[in-house]
Amino acid sequence: DAGVTQSPTHLIKTRGQQVTLRCSPKSGHDTVSWYQQALGQGPQFIFQYYEEEERQRGNFPDRFSGHQFPNYSSELNVNALLLGDSALYLCASSLTDDIWGEKLFFGSGTQLSVL
Amino acid sequence: QQQVKQSPQSLIVQKGGISIINCAYENTAFDYFPWYQQFPGKGPALLIAIRPDVSEKKEGRFTISFNKSAKQFSLHIMDSQPGDSATYFCAASIPRDTDKLIFGTGTRLQVFP
Repeated sequence: DAGVTQSPTHLIKTRGQQVTLRCSPKSGHDTVSWYQQALGQGPQFIFQYYEEEERQRGNFPDRFSGHQFPNYSSELNVNALLLGDSALYLCASSLTDDIWGEKLFFGSGTQLSVL
Repeated sequence: QQQVKQSPQSLIVQKGGISIINCAYENTAFDYFPWYQQFPGKGPALLIAIRPDVSEKKEGRFTISFNKSAKQFSLHIMDSQPGDSATYFCAASIPRDTDKLIFGTGTRLQVFP
């Protein structure tokens, strides 16, 4: 049973460019959340997708957008990249019926470097 | 009020010793407190979690102690092993919102043989 898979594993972009990160949730999961983890910090919640809609959003600008597809996979898009967007981007999946939240699984992340 | 404060930033423990990591929160609406373990190059993995209706939860060598009145909770790793060397994060969330975790800043644990 594959866990949460993310691609690519590493990415280098320059300021002003746009980037798309991809995530496939764990089998059976229908909800995808994205987190940003800066170096030496804890992950910060970006947003969550369920039924192809953004259900919740953290304190991130509109440059960060996402999408969820009918097969529950998801994309994170970041426009007009800034140096400060350099971070590990984590995707996490869960089953929305899991109200106790003890089945949130993280992928290994995409390391984004903005030069 | 949304912060979770974690200490220490780093911890060095000898094999067989006890590792203790502490976290404090302000938001009394938090009702779910997980601990995550993260190895280099990997995503966080759930280690153990507690809800405020109990003061302690133990799973193997890992124990969470929870003090609701002090708004503090801690992770104790008994008989620490070199394989426990990782970064540990505490986190918290509000009811029915457990995917939106507020993480602490992490503790880098090194266990020496």
